[in-house]
Amino acid sequence: QKEVEQNSGPLSVPEGAIASLNCTYSDRGSQSFFWYRQYSGKSPELIMFIYSNGDKEDGRFTAQLNKASQYVSLLIRDSQPSDSATYLCAVRVSGSARQLTFGSGTQLTVLP
Amino acid sequence: GAVVSQHPSRVICKSGTSVKIECRSLDFQATTMFWYRQFPKQSLMLMATSNEGSKATYEQGVEKDKFLINHASLTLSTLTVTSAHPEDSSFYICSATGLAAAYEQYFGPGTRLTVT
Repeated sequence: QKEVEQNSGPLSVPEGAIASLNCTYSDRGSQSFFWYRQYSGKSPELIMFIYSNGDKEDGRFTAQLNKASQYVSLLIRDSQPSDSATYLCAVRVSGSARQLTFGSGTQLTVLP
Repeated sequence: GAVVSQHPSRVICKSGTSVKIECRSLDFQATTMFWYRQFPKQSLMLMATSNEGSKATYEQGVEKDKFLINHASLTLSTLTVTSAHPEDSSFYICSATGLAAAYEQYFGPGTRLTVT
């Protein structure tokens, strides 16, 4: 079982809709959770991180964490074509100091 | 804030030569830097973790004698690909983390290496 799992997609949503990206992790000791966006041919860009159960909002982005279910999600409201990218979920697992474990990413396409 | 630069952005070299890639944190002290490699349409693969002033920790399967990492200061880490071969052609990305509570990593723009 992979430590961090994401649906590879592709996930397609129409412009203006809510895109929902999901991630599950296997290590219950995981402490911090990150969402990165990666455009084709570019390096990952940090969108937001969360480490407490519940929701964290930043502009059009909302991260949701449920440690009991070992589940973290990212919602993108009012999706725009410029949001089309691969979204990487990353987890800082217990005992790893600052190392992150990345999922394989979900490819999102926002259709105009 | 949290800007990480990488140089060069793109390099083409001949088989058997060595290439050095620099990673710099521009506006914070990076106590830890990471080096990743990414092949087309694949996810990030962590190669090594380097802490300032100490030897890098390499992931399983990564040859430490081939991929030399130096983290001489809190703002600079270098990756040298020695005796490069065509199969080393890839997108190399560094990231850096400081002393922030969540230890979020900030990525450099990446270096695309092509070995001919």
